Formats: sequence, structure tokens, C-alpha cells
Amino acid sequence: AQTVTQSQPEMSVQEAETVTLSCTYDTSESNYYLFWYKQPPSRQMILVIRQEAYKQQNATENRFSVNFQKAAKSFSLKISDSQLGDTAMYFCAFKEAGGTSYGKLTFGQGTILTVHP
Amino acid sequence: DADVTQTPRNRITKTGKRIMLECSQTKGHDRMYWYRQDPGLGLQLIYYSFDVKDINKGEISDGYSVSRQAQAKFSLSLESAIPNQTALYFCATSASGKSQPQHFGDGTRLSIL
Repeated sequence: AQTVTQSQPEMSVQEAETVTLSCTYDTSESNYYLFWYKQPPSRQMILVIRQEAYKQQNATENRFSVNFQKAAKSFSLKISDSQLGDTAMYFCAFKEAGGTSYGKLTFGQGTILTVHP
Repeated sequence: DADVTQTPRNRITKTGKRIMLECSQTKGHDRMYWYRQDPGLGLQLIYYSFDVKDINKGEISDGYSVSRQAQAKFSLSLESAIPNQTALYFCATSASGKSQPQHFGDGTRLSIL
């Protein structure tokens, strides 16, 4: 079974600075998808960014980018120019791509990020 | 209007009561999911449905049941609520296709006394 580990329960950063959230996963699959979701205090679950394992190029979405290291099974999220609105819980999630996969997402435990003014 | 709507937003009830949480979507997605979120555990899958006639158990289905009344509606029931079912519950949808992400509702916070 796949597992997803976020080893940083809490992180903090000053506004306008850069922060990196860590995520590692364990799988025997060669093709899969990885996601970062954001959960602000309003408790919505918002998709931030996704990465397909067969693509070597790291995904980027505006101020959000990932560092995908397939051999190391690592998928970190970098937030540049942090804003107060980035304060949220961030979840890393994994989804199989092959076989009889039913699209199940396996989530990490989450990292609480606080952006300070 | 939200694409994935969950009702109620909050609910407080007593042990032993039957509870139904409802989810409707306007995204036209075939796949729907119910998750439970507990502090420190991320989200865990309760049930999932690929179409109206296809319903499957997830990781933690004991004590829960679901009904897929239509493509757009997927409800979760707690037949006899117990305090350790106190949690935040999320409904999610996705289009068919393995690369498709899941889109979540705003959650239902359920407290069982």
C-alpha cells in the first residue's frame, strides 16, 4: 500500500519570503500522480498543483512550484513571495495511474503553514 | 455557486441518532467520493462511486453507508452515530481518467455527543 509522509507538522515564514514544504511517499508503481492541496481556515480543500510521475519537468503554477525527485520519492512544494493568504494546512497526496486503480487519493498528515506579516 | 455542495455545513447530534450528509455537484463528473478528516491523520476514504450503479467501500467504511441517487448526488449515512465518528467530512468529485484531480466540497463538521 502507498504511504505519504509529511515530516513537518508546522512551518512559518515571513511575508514575501520563500518556504519549502516536504513530502515523501512510498510506492512500487512506476506511474502515478502527485498533488498538493491547500486547506485554509475556511476548511475548503483547494488544488494547488499536480505532477505526473512520467514527466521529468517540475510543475509550476504562478508562485507555487514543486521539486519532484522520482528516485528519492520526494515531492516538495516551494512557495515564493509568500502572502498572508497562503496561511493554511497543506496536504500532499498520491494517486496510482495504472492497473485497476480507482482514483483513490492517499493523503499525508498535513503541514500547517503560517505566513507572518 | 459552488460546484460541489455539501449540506449541512455543521451538525451536532447525539449518540445513536441516524445522520445523513448530502453532496450534490454541478461539474458533470461521474466519480464521487466521501472522505473523513481527523486531526493529524489527513483524509481517509470512506466510500467511492464511479457511477450510479457502482459503489465501493474505502479504507474506513464500517459504521457508514452511502446512496448514489443520481449522477449528481451522493449521500453518506451514519446509521447509529457514535462519538468517535466526530470529524470533518468531505465529498469530492472527479472526471473519469486517471490523471483527473479531485474537487472537494466545503466539508461538513459533524459533532456527536
